[in-house]
Amino acid sequence: NAGVTQTPKFQVLKTGQSMTLQCAQDMNHNSMYWYRQDPGMGLRLIYYSASEGTTDKGEVPNGYNVSRLNKREFSLRLESAAPSQTSVYFCATTGQINSPLHFGNGTRLTVT
Amino acid sequence: EDKVVQSPLSLVVHEGDTVTLNCSYEVTNFRSLLWYKQEKKAPTFLFMLTSSGIEKKSGRLSSILDKKELSSILNITATQTGDSAIYLCAVEGRGDYKLSFGAGTTVTVRA
Repeated sequence: NAGVTQTPKFQVLKTGQSMTLQCAQDMNHNSMYWYRQDPGMGLRLIYYSASEGTTDKGEVPNGYNVSRLNKREFSLRLESAAPSQTSVYFCATTGQINSPLHFGNGTRLTVT
Repeated sequence: EDKVVQSPLSLVVHEGDTVTLNCSYEVTNFRSLLWYKQEKKAPTFLFMLTSSGIEKKSGRLSSILDKKELSSILNITATQTGDSAIYLCAVEGRGDYKLSFGAGTTVTVRA
């Protein structure tokens, strides 16, 4: 039972390049989230999907887009990467409101 | 906008010491407060608190919520080097599908 799987684990991009971070869960959870984590700033919500077919902006959505492909998969796209997007990105899921989040192991992204 | 403030930002203790971590919050229609521990990779869930004054315990870790003071504390007794981690506090509002996290407290336990 894999839980929440993120790919890739590491990525280096040049400014202006694009890429998609993938997240897949086998927990049959409805809600999925993308967070970024920067030193001294905790986890900040980028986008979330409360259920299949819906997506909403979080605290820091600028420069990102998301797709909830189906119940299992929620991808995060950077269309034109910037050095300010250098961060560790976490995908998380939960089965219902008031339940703990389950996190993937993160993607460490560096934009040069 | 929801706000979560953790203190201290970091601390260093020796094995056997007791540590107390603080979390204060401002959230519209509070539903729950959660504590997570983060070592190398993904945060792992420790506690969820919804009611004031009821302590939750797991081994040497315990936590309590004070809704009047809009705060929570996380205690770790008889610390071990394996307790070295970032401890994250998060809050959720009613009707809200998202958690707001604090910046975290980095705990370093020296042998």
